[in-house]
Amino acid sequence: GENVEQHPSTLSVQEGDSAVIKCTYSDSASNYFPWYKQELGKRPQLIIDIRSNVGEKKDQRIAVTLNKTAKHFSLHITETQPEDSAVYFCASLGGYNKLIFGAGTRLAVHP
Amino acid sequence: DAGVIQSPRHEVTEMGQEVTLRCKPISGHNSLFWYRQTMMRGLELLIYFNNNVPIDDSGMPEDRFSAKMPNASFSTLKIQPSEPRDSAVYFCASSAGGSSNQPQHFGDGTRLSIL
Repeated sequence: GENVEQHPSTLSVQEGDSAVIKCTYSDSASNYFPWYKQELGKRPQLIIDIRSNVGEKKDQRIAVTLNKTAKHFSLHITETQPEDSAVYFCASLGGYNKLIFGAGTRLAVHP
Repeated sequence: DAGVIQSPRHEVTEMGQEVTLRCKPISGHNSLFWYRQTMMRGLELLIYFNNNVPIDDSGMPEDRFSAKMPNASFSTLKIQPSEPRDSAVYFCASSAGGSSNQPQHFGDGTRLSIL
């Protein structure tokens, strides 16, 4: 069935460093890839998304890249800050407009 | 923009009781999604409505779970009878348009504990 794999499951960085989270998906028909940030006890919040007609999208300190051939997409956070600490989920849009979520990456940014 | 509104925020009840979770989507959004989040299974889609019609309920775990959307501004997820393994955070999300590529916006969730 449709599947999204996300790595790493945990990531610890020093403030100011970059963080990269990678996802692969199985459904070659997927054409929409959002990223969500979830702080402890809060709802998932959409932080950036990318559609299959572009290879890269940037919004201030965050960027997402997409390689449709490899069925691979990544989230890049530069100049990390303590408030970036959260769980990040990637997702791909599968059949019947279902979002298939990755298992999440727990990012810790240490001051 | 009020966002997706869910109630209650927390629910604690004894097993066997009926539980009803409520959701008001963002005005103008015509797709609504119910998710369940647990540590073990992550975020799981339970059911998805488009224009108030259930499109895909393959994620509903069993007959004890049911969902309705009587109008464009209200949906319920019901568990009857509830069991301790139903304990989780239940999120409702909505998106604009019935087609793909529209961002889903989540409510604050209902934290359900079945004793």
